[in-house]
Amino acid sequence: QQPVQSPQAVILREGEDAVINCSSSKALYSVHWYRQKHGEAPVFLMILLKGGEQKGHEKISASFNEKKQQSSLYLTASQLSYSGTYFCGILGLYSGGGADGLTFGKGTHLIIQP
Amino acid sequence: DTEVTQTPKHLVMGMTNKKSLKCEQHMGHRAMYWYKQKAKKPPELMFVYSYEKLSINESVPSRFSPECPNSSLLNLHLHALQPEDSALYLCASSRVIGLASTDTQYFGPGTRLTVL
Repeated sequence: QQPVQSPQAVILREGEDAVINCSSSKALYSVHWYRQKHGEAPVFLMILLKGGEQKGHEKISASFNEKKQQSSLYLTASQLSYSGTYFCGILGLYSGGGADGLTFGKGTHLIIQP
Repeated sequence: DTEVTQTPKHLVMGMTNKKSLKCEQHMGHRAMYWYKQKAKKPPELMFVYSYEKLSINESVPSRFSPECPNSSLLNLHLHALQPEDSALYLCASSRVIGLASTDTQYFGPGTRLTVL
């Protein structure tokens, strides 16, 4: 029941756009997006809520499609600093409604070239 | 301030050693988490503490023993680990927890553990 991310890897030139998708077979209440650089901790980007969207970071936005149980992360005019691995995380796979941790997708490795 | 601190940053231990990892936050969060991350893999949940009580143990071997002495502090006691336990151990905290939670989980920098 791990969320499925696509693509697995993306190579862009600076200034290009990218879309990263995250889908789940389980009903989603929220999707949490993180970016992790090599050797560092995951850094929170934003939370997407069922029924809405929330922009939280730089030129990065996201959407939540309830019908498809999918969230998409949009990176526009990418900068070198956007390089890293992007993870989506969802709640609700451990306890079924109570205290819960995040289940992460396998990640999307993003490389931005000058 | 959204800082979660972890000590030590690096730890090398033998299979017969006993060591502890420490995590601290002063954001008033009442949920704290331990995740394990292997190279090129996503973080995987190990334990969840809610109001200082263990609420989730994700089938973690008993050689890992969590402890939450107070609302700001989370420890992970290690004993008789195996080389395959070598990984980055991440601590996180959040304000509230639950299925519909919109509260962010903030991660600490992690402890990189090597078991020889």
